Formats: sequence, structure tokens, C-alpha cells
Amino acid sequence: DTGVSQNPRHKITKRGQNVTFRCDPISEHNRLYWYRQTLGQGPEFLTYFQNEAQLEKSRLLSDRFSAERPKGSFSTLEIQRTEQGDSAMYLCASSLTRGGTEAFFGQGTRLTVV
Amino acid sequence: AQSVTQLGSHVSVSEGALVLLRCNYSSSVPPYLFWYVQYPNQGLQLLLKYTSAATLVKGINGFEAEFKKSETSFHLTKPSAHMSDAAEYFCAVAIYNFNKFYFGSGTKLNVKP
Repeated sequence: DTGVSQNPRHKITKRGQNVTFRCDPISEHNRLYWYRQTLGQGPEFLTYFQNEAQLEKSRLLSDRFSAERPKGSFSTLEIQRTEQGDSAMYLCASSLTRGGTEAFFGQGTRLTVV
Repeated sequence: AQSVTQLGSHVSVSEGALVLLRCNYSSSVPPYLFWYVQYPNQGLQLLLKYTSAATLVKGINGFEAEFKKSETSFHLTKPSAHMSDAAEYFCAVAIYNFNKFYFGSGTKLNVKP
């Protein structure tokens, strides 16, 4: 068990470009979450998956954002037509389903849109 | 709805002094509560969690927190601060189905030599 892995760790992109981030959860975890964290703020919920099903999306997640978790394993978060306001740390976490269990976080992908 | 309020965005203590980081929560159902720590450019690491067992919870690195339902609080303490405790600390709440975790805005702890 190597923990939650996120790639890339850093991404600099020009405004208007598309970017994709990958998250590999802890192997036996069936829940996977995406959060966004901006400077000086706590993580904000974006979306979560139960196995391959995306069960909830935050209103923060505009139509430019899409997330997938094919086969209930790794997940990708794509941002289309990036804007400067998308600059943030994108955190992925995974957990088991049973009550009382914590979320294990990856080290995040820091996105800078220039 | 669930929410978390962390009082004090910055806390500064001297090395060896008591650390007290405050967290109040709002939840319409019995909550699960967590404290996470984040070092610069890193993800979040769990310090401790409350899951309706003992109200006084002990975590890693000498931290502990007490769940007080009457005060809707879950404050984090450590008797003696170390320089290595300097980081940002986040309180979080989740409810029974764990569909999401709600985080506070964080408290940056500075430890002075």
C-alpha cells in the first residue's frame, strides 16, 4: 500500500488549454473524492465516486470540469478551457465505505494557469 | 447541513507551550469529526478522529481532542509544542454516509523558538 498517488504534482498551463489530472487511490478503497484548495482556505468538495459511479457533484464544478473513474480504480479530473480562477491545489482522497473511516489524501496537484 | 468553524486563522506559541486550536461544528445529525495536518505543498495527514466512541481522542504526535456535544466543539490540544508542529491544521466533519467531508478554513500554527 503506497497511499494515494496523484500525478502530476505540478502543472503550469496557459489560459484556454485543457488539463487532466490522475489519481490512484488506495487499492481496496471504493470511495474516491476530489477536492480543490485555494490559498488560505480549506479543501472544498468537488465530487465523489462510489466504485465507478459518480454520485455527487458540487455546484462549484462547472461544465468545464469532468471527472471519471473507469472500472472503479484510478480517476481523472479534466478541466477544459482553463481560466486563471482555476489555479489551485487539486486534492484526491480515498476511503472505505464503512462508517467512521477517514479519508486518505494524496499530495495534490498544484495547477497554475497563466 | 454540516459546517465547521475554526477560530483563529493564525496561532503562534513558543516551543514547549500548550497548543490549543479551536474547532466548532454544525451538524443536524451526530457527526464524525477529524483533525488533519498539512505541511507546505503536501496533502493532508490525519491526526485523529472522533467516531462516537470515547469523547477524548488521542492522535499522533502527542495531539488530542475532546468532543463536547453541548458546546458543539472539537478543540485540538498538545501539552508541549515542538518546532516540527508548525503547519496548517484543518478540522473536518462528516456524517454517517460519508459522502463528503466538510473542512474548516484552517489554522496556521507557528512555533517560536
